[in-house]
Amino acid sequence: DQQVKQNSPSLSVQEGRISILNCDYTNSMFDYFLWYKKYPAEGPTFLISISSIKDKNEDGRFTVFLNKSAKHLSLHIVPSQPGDSAVYFCAASPSSGSARQLTFGSGTQLTVLP
Amino acid sequence: EPEVTQTPSHQVTQMGQEVILRCVPISNHLYFYWYRQILGQKVEFLVSFYNNEISEKSEIFDDQFSVERPDGSNFTLKIRSTKLEDSAMYFCATSEMLAGGDNEQFFGPGTRLTVL
Repeated sequence: DQQVKQNSPSLSVQEGRISILNCDYTNSMFDYFLWYKKYPAEGPTFLISISSIKDKNEDGRFTVFLNKSAKHLSLHIVPSQPGDSAVYFCAASPSSGSARQLTFGSGTQLTVLP
Repeated sequence: EPEVTQTPSHQVTQMGQEVILRCVPISNHLYFYWYRQILGQKVEFLVSFYNNEISEKSEIFDDQFSVERPDGSNFTLKIRSTKLEDSAMYFCATSEMLAGGDNEQFFGPGTRLTVL
């Protein structure tokens, strides 16, 4: 089941530079997308979300872009900090259903180098 | 800041035994979920729960699994007869019910289940 794909298992970025994490999806029913950050031995921590009526959502250093026609979203972190080093998961949910199950990607390990 | 809590943090059990994993949701949240992550694999949805009943469940959530909210605060996942392949991190998540809004899910720290 590859409904949500994160094709880059890892990414290294220099401190202060921009980190760009990518995610692709195949299910046209998905209309709500989220990014989570996860440290080892902890649960996923919600970062930012976007619904399909928007193409951009910004929260501090984090910006998510959604390209519905390409079924692609990306998370930009700028400037990147060493504390941002973690696994980042993209997740998506469908438009129907009141309790929205999330479908996760496989994650991208981000390493921010000091 | 309110958070989802889970107990125990680590559970070791023998194959065939019953386990109960517990979660305390954020107090004003009304939707509850269980997910699991087998080592090296994706986080997978198991079940969602609202108004004291299951809303959705995945193919993984077979007759060996059950959920309940026995006392109005705890939200539990029971596995009746554990199998080796049930070894995983189990995450509880909760969300508010915002009319017309999008509801991000907040995750607990997880319970690591090891079936021997």
